[in-house]
Amino acid sequence: EIVLTQSPGTLSLSPGERATLSCRASQSVSSGYLAWYQQKPGQAPRLLIYGASSRATGIPDRFSGSGSGTDFTLTISRLEPEDFAVYYCQQYGSSPYSFGQGTKLEIK
Amino acid sequence: EVQLVQSGAEVKKPGESLKISCKASGYSFTTKWIGWVRQMPGKGLEWMGFIYPGDSDTRYSPSFQGQVTISADKSISTGYLQWTSLKASDTAIYYCARVLGGDLRGVHDYWGQGTLVTVSS
Repeated sequence: EIVLTQSPGTLSLSPGERATLSCRASQSVSSGYLAWYQQKPGQAPRLLIYGASSRATGIPDRFSGSGSGTDFTLTISRLEPEDFAVYYCQQYGSSPYSFGQGTKLEIK
Repeated sequence: EVQLVQSGAEVKKPGESLKISCKASGYSFTTKWIGWVRQMPGKGLEWMGFIYPGDSDTRYSPSFQGQVTISADKSISTGYLQWTSLKASDTAIYYCARVLGGDLRGVHDYWGQGTLVTVSS
């Protein structure tokens, strides 16, 4: 089973700043089969990125994903107030399709 | 518009059985997988498994194999998650999600609103 470790656990930034979230896999994720989700309190997760770097429908272009192998990054270029939430990475290259433990992005 | 509408919150006692549902609309139900994800109180997301309603092919995470049953009724575009004997540790929010196929199998693109299951004596 692939274990995903996200860092940092909590990231404190201000609106307008750039956010960089990391997801590291215990073994290589085949074909970049890595997705990112956003979850706000009391809401279901929302798909942001799939295939490591492809934005899902309707996702603003300030969200971008990159990486391959075992190291992946989600970047939010300029934080908006609605971006403060918990972010999860998920690999779907091999079953079970594990999630990382999450990074909480909070307002500084 | 793709929608997944889940059944309401449940309060059960240990040892009781339960089946929760996820009604899909806005797409062809038999051509996409339906997955289930657990979120325990204050914790992260855990992938449980999914089913392809077209042929009932079902896959489970080893952590949930034998603990739950995933099923689907394609005649009413509804997926199910069921337990035969609940434990207090099953207390969680359970989300269903549409799961893409092919090279994107595993990508959960649309989610239900979640069903809170509380197991307490």
